[in-house]
Amino acid sequence: SAVISQKPSRDICQRGTSLTIQCQVDSQVTMMFWYRQQPGQSLTLIATANQGSEATYESGFVIDKFPISRPNLTFSTLTVSNMSPEDSSIYLCSVVGLASTDTQYFGPGTRLTVL
Amino acid sequence: GEDVEQSLFLSVREGDSSVINCTYTDSSSTYLYWYKQEPGAGLQLLTYIFSNMDMKQDQRLTVLLNKKDKHLSLRIADTQTGDSAIYFCAENKYGNKLVFGAGTILRVKS
Repeated sequence: SAVISQKPSRDICQRGTSLTIQCQVDSQVTMMFWYRQQPGQSLTLIATANQGSEATYESGFVIDKFPISRPNLTFSTLTVSNMSPEDSSIYLCSVVGLASTDTQYFGPGTRLTVL
Repeated sequence: GEDVEQSLFLSVREGDSSVINCTYTDSSSTYLYWYKQEPGAGLQLLTYIFSNMDMKQDQRLTVLLNKKDKHLSLRIADTQTGDSAIYFCAENKYGNKLVFGAGTILRVKS
């Protein structure tokens, strides 16, 4: 399975600021996704990070709030913009590998608290 | 409401078997997954099953799939205290986009 790292692992931010979360994979992958897990909740897909083009957002999520980059096959960033306390969540990236497209692995997550 | 439904809580004694149940809605889902999340940690892929299979066994884990009823279960044999976690089932609904259940909290009493 791919080894996935995320930075930062956690952060406490002030409302109105932005935070960029990085996701790095140790091997090339076909697909990368960003999910949100609100406190005590399940995971919700934010968007698919497309290499070299704009991300594909799910209903309820917009590019202005969650801009995403994916410059290559091993790296992606998610920015949480103009944060409010409601954005306090765990943000996780996931990947589908080149060798095995039926399995999806998750990074360790970034725990964000907005004051 | 959730597309994927799970019971919220299960408590078992150490050494007993645990069975976590899940129902999903999309019969066209190709894969169904079980993930484990320990406190403060990310999601660990435990196992998955292809939709044309009825059963998959992997050491202490047994996955049963009833496609007619859209019912998925995870059985953990000889449950240990280290198995205490939240277990999420997920369906591969839209081409690798996963839809998750709310999670089942498994508590193992020693």
